[in-house]
Amino acid sequence: AQRVTQPEKLLSVFKGAPVELKCNYSYSGSPELFWYVQYSRQRLQLLLRHISRESIKGFTADLNKGETSFHLKKPFAQEEDSAMYYCALSAGGTSYGKLTFGQGTILTVHP
Amino acid sequence: DARVTQTPRHKVTEMGQEVTMRCQPILGHNTVFWYRQTMMQGLELLAYFRNRAPLDDSGMPKDRFSAEMPDATLATLKIQPSEPRDSAVYFCASGPSGGREEFFGPGTRLTVL
Repeated sequence: AQRVTQPEKLLSVFKGAPVELKCNYSYSGSPELFWYVQYSRQRLQLLLRHISRESIKGFTADLNKGETSFHLKKPFAQEEDSAMYYCALSAGGTSYGKLTFGQGTILTVHP
Repeated sequence: DARVTQTPRHKVTEMGQEVTMRCQPILGHNTVFWYRQTMMQGLELLAYFRNRAPLDDSGMPKDRFSAEMPDATLATLKIQPSEPRDSAVYFCASGPSGGREEFFGPGTRLTVL
């Protein structure tokens, strides 16, 4: 079965500092990875997906199959980046269309 | 801009009462998910449906929770009887046929006293 691990429950940085939210996964097949963001008391929304290879709101994430990681990075954090971030994996087979979520990381960016 | 809708947005009830939460998936989406979010457990998948058929409800306490899709435009999650430990935010999400992304609703914040 697939599994997603976000080792940091809480992460605090100062505005302008680089930030990296860690995500590791276990899955024997070829996964599709996502990052979702949830701002205070709002719905979860897709931030980015690995197949798009794009930068959203300054965030990037690279799928490293050797290390089975999909860390989210931003070179200069902003206060408005404070939110809960979830890493998620989409497997194939009978689980197609269902996401497996990590436990989430609460990012706080201090002024 | 199509969005998943959920009602009610907030619900306060007393222990032992029945709670029904409703979700309208995005039109044309054939997969619907119910999640529960708490500080301690994070996001837990309770159940999900494809083409209105339940595929997996192993995350749901069977004795008190039930999930149904009466039609393609409505999914319901019912708790009977409710308990204080059920207090959480319940999210519904939907996904398109052949797609892997999930689109979330705004959630129902449930408080059981």
